[in-house]
Amino acid sequence: SYELTQPPSVSVSPGQTASITCSGDKLGDRYACWYQQKPGQSPVLVLYQDNKRPSGIPERFSGSNSGNTATLTISGTQAMDEADYYCQAWDSSTVVFGGGTKLTVL
Amino acid sequence: EVQLVESGGGLVQPGESLRLSCSASGFTFSLYWMNWVRQAPGKGLEWVANIKQDGSEKSYVDSVKGRFTISRDNAKNSLYVQMNSLRAEDTAVYYCVREMVAVAGGLDYWGQGALVTVSS
Repeated sequence: SYELTQPPSVSVSPGQTASITCSGDKLGDRYACWYQQKPGQSPVLVLYQDNKRPSGIPERFSGSNSGNTATLTISGTQAMDEADYYCQAWDSSTVVFGGGTKLTVL
Repeated sequence: EVQLVESGGGLVQPGESLRLSCSASGFTFSLYWMNWVRQAPGKGLEWVANIKQDGSEKSYVDSVKGRFTISRDNAKNSLYVQMNSLRAEDTAVYYCVREMVAVAGGLDYWGQGALVTVSS
């Protein structure tokens, strides 16, 4: 079965750029999505089709996907961006999530 | 406004069954693939199952195959998952989730979740 690997944690200073990676075999040949989940809340889709933002998602969220790695980039990170982030891709008709990355803004 | 409201969660003993329901509103339910995603306490997201718009295609994660059945009733704007032979490791918050119409468009709306606890 297909697997996606994320670093458990990433730290960033306020105002700086945070990058969260997601690795999978030939992931660049598939579309990747990213979700943000804050404590006690349901996940929120922040990027789909590698780099598209749903309505209401700030422009500071961007993405790329090439080779074996998809990357979520948060520019000018704010305290409100502190959350767990999950990447996701499809393996045939099934959905695969990465293990999640806790982003700490300090 | 899109709303997904899960119900039917609770405490059950190992080996017992439970049926979760999801009531959808604010969009044309019959046009969307729908999913169940779960999250064990303190753990990450795990996709459980999905179902095509007309119910003709269904997929499951290996760990629930043969025990869980996803279904839908488009006339009632409702999604279901029948969970049999429940195990302790099925303990989780179960989310009802809509999939975007766009190809690989992502899971764009999530319910608030229903807690299922499997314990003796």
